[in-house]
Amino acid sequence: DTGVSQNPRHKITKRGQNVTFRCDPISEHNRLYWYRQTLGQGPEFLTYFQNEAQLEKSRLLSDRFSAERPKGSFSTLEIQRTEQGDSAMYLCASSVRKTGTFRQQNTEAFFGQGTRLTVV
Amino acid sequence: AQRVTQPEKLLSVFKGAPVELKCNYSYSGSPELFWYVQYSRQRLQLLLRHISRESIKGFTADLNKGETSFHLKKPFAQEEDSAMYYCALAGGTSYGKLTFGQGTILTVHP
Repeated sequence: DTGVSQNPRHKITKRGQNVTFRCDPISEHNRLYWYRQTLGQGPEFLTYFQNEAQLEKSRLLSDRFSAERPKGSFSTLEIQRTEQGDSAMYLCASSVRKTGTFRQQNTEAFFGQGTRLTVV
Repeated sequence: AQRVTQPEKLLSVFKGAPVELKCNYSYSGSPELFWYVQYSRQRLQLLLRHISRESIKGFTADLNKGETSFHLKKPFAQEEDSAMYYCALAGGTSYGKLTFGQGTILTVHP
């Protein structure tokens, strides 16, 4: 499968523990996005990277959350001191953004299968 | 602020019937609108985008700026169309930073 890959697929953790998720984007994609999805809701944007630079963070991303993309390839999302309200599906997506070109050359977002986090 | 509204959480039709999934948006600029679909146990995937003006799996969607709508339509629903459908909006030129609606579960009965 050459699509976006996320690990682990499922994570159960106790309240107060730290967790880290990994996302491997499609190899030539320079943009990487994190979303959170709770039951009955659509995905909500958290943050995104262009190469290794984190360009935007949503207000949903509290200071317990940190995301990195150190070499512009895979990314990690860490949640410290997890709370029950953090239980959700965490989705990663990637796309190509080519500056200075026509819009049609920017691809849509391709999503991974997500990491389901349960905080007990 | 940008917002996407899908007023129907559930939609049931019979095979062969027309189907329309509603989507309304709020955005001050020129939006890019998308429909994403999630079949059972599969990842979210793009169904179509308004800029392409194409038909995928028999589905079409027309952007109506006057009504700020981007409804998804198919004249004859098939059982394999049963899935969760999300309408999404991208403000600006990044197609990955999306605002999603709450989604509509479409069930097509035999």
